[in-house]
Amino acid sequence: DGGITQSPKYLFRKEGQNVTLSCEQNLNHDAMYWYRQDPGQGLRLIYYSQIVNDFQKGDIAEGYSVSREKKESFPLTVTSAQKNPTAFYLCASSPTRGNSPLHFGNGTRLTVT
Amino acid sequence: GENVEQHPSTLSVQEGDSAVIKCTYSDSASNYFPWYKQELGKRPQLIIDIRSNVGEKKDQRIAVTLNKTAKHFSLHITETQPEDSAVYFCAATPGQAGTALIFGKGTTLSVSS
Repeated sequence: DGGITQSPKYLFRKEGQNVTLSCEQNLNHDAMYWYRQDPGQGLRLIYYSQIVNDFQKGDIAEGYSVSREKKESFPLTVTSAQKNPTAFYLCASSPTRGNSPLHFGNGTRLTVT
Repeated sequence: GENVEQHPSTLSVQEGDSAVIKCTYSDSASNYFPWYKQELGKRPQLIIDIRSNVGEKKDQRIAVTLNKTAKHFSLHITETQPEDSAVYFCAATPGQAGTALIFGKGTTLSVSS
């Protein structure tokens, strides 16, 4: 069954700790993305990667970091520098960059207290 | 950068009525405009998309129109049903090559029977 897998579904962390969200895809897509979803804010772009070993900042990259060592994987680290980390995080992929539909994972809800 | 505005933020209709959601974008070079539906607790899913060389596209009860001159595009849902209740997001790809979709803030559609 092809798709995007995000894990875990729910994640709880203490303030001041870094946490890494997993995103794996078996769709053979070149491009991968991370969006953050908050109530009433839509989906805001954190980071995206068009190809292995390359990635670009989105609109709200501060306090986040990513890596793209493999085509299938695009993990997101929420660092202690992110002021409001509690949110719903969505990973997505697309066959090519930019002008093609996104396929989303089921998301990870991160709660930091 | 690209900015996408979406209106209204909430929309309530009676079953069988039509619903229209409108979006405007700022980058005149934008060339891809998808619409996503997100049901409660689920991932966003593509319902229809349109490219800048097309003015209108229809898929059963759903249609999208694009006005490049005015830089706006709209989602039209006819004969609404309770299962159409969800959050709808519009998005646009900036004209610069290798960029990512920028989303509107979403419209919560409620269809009452």
